Amino acid sequence: QVQLVQSGAEVKKPGASVKVSCKASGYTFTSYDINWVRQATGQGLEWMGWMNPNSGNTGYAQKFQGRVTMTRNTSISTAYMELSSLRSEDTAVYYCARGGIYGSGYGYWGQGTLVTVSS
Amino acid sequence: DIQMTQSPSSLSASVGDRVTITCRASQSISSYLNWYQQKPGKAPKLLIYAASSLQSGVPSRFSGSGSGTDFTLTISSLQPEDFATYYCQQSYSTPPNFGQGTKLEIK
Repeated sequence: QVQLVQSGAEVKKPGASVKVSCKASGYTFTSYDINWVRQATGQGLEWMGWMNPNSGNTGYAQKFQGRVTMTRNTSISTAYMELSSLRSEDTAVYYCARGGIYGSGYGYWGQGTLVTVSS
Repeated sequence: DIQMTQSPSSLSASVGDRVTITCRASQSISSYLNWYQQKPGKAPKLLIYAASSLQSGVPSRFSGSGSGTDFTLTISSLQPEDFATYYCQQSYSTPPNFGQGTKLEIK
C-alpha cells in the first residue's frame, strides 16, 4: 500500500532552517510528483511547491521563492523540503502529498510534521 | 493566481441531512477541481477529483458537480463521521490554491 512517512516534529529558532523528509513506499517513487502543503494552527491549507522525483524539477509558490528548496534521494525514495530564514509565522504542520495524473488531486498524504519556530 | 472561495465558511447540520458546499473560482478552471475532507489532527483526505469523480473507497453519499467557475460538494445523508472541515482545490494551474475551508458541525 502507498505510504508517505514524514520525519518528526522540529523546534527551531528564528532565522534557522528546517529540513523535513518524506519517505515513500508502495509505489515507484519517480513516477509521481511530490507536493508540499502547510497548515498553521486553526488555519487553511497552503500549497508551497512541487517536485518531480524523476527529473528533480521543482516549482515553488511565489511566497516561498528564495526560502524553500525541494530535493530528493531516489535511492531511498525520499523527498525533502528545506525552509530557511524561519520566522514565527512559519510555525505550522507541513505535509507532503503525492500527486496523480494531471488534475487528479493528492490521493496520498504524509502524516504531517509540526515545525515550531520560537525564540 | 486563481483564487478559490468557499461558502459557507461554517455550517451546522444534523445526521441524515443533505448538505451542499459551494466553491467558486476567480476564473474558469474547466473541471480541474478537487475536494478534500480533513478531521482534527489528521491529514486531508481526497474525496472528489476532476469535479465529479469519486476517489476510490469514498462513500457514494459524497458527490461533486460543476464546471467552469462554480462547483458543489454534496453529502446526501450526513453520517456522524462526516463532521469535519472540507476544502476545495483547483488543479488547473500553478499555484494549485485551496479554498479557505468549510467547517461542518453537528447541530
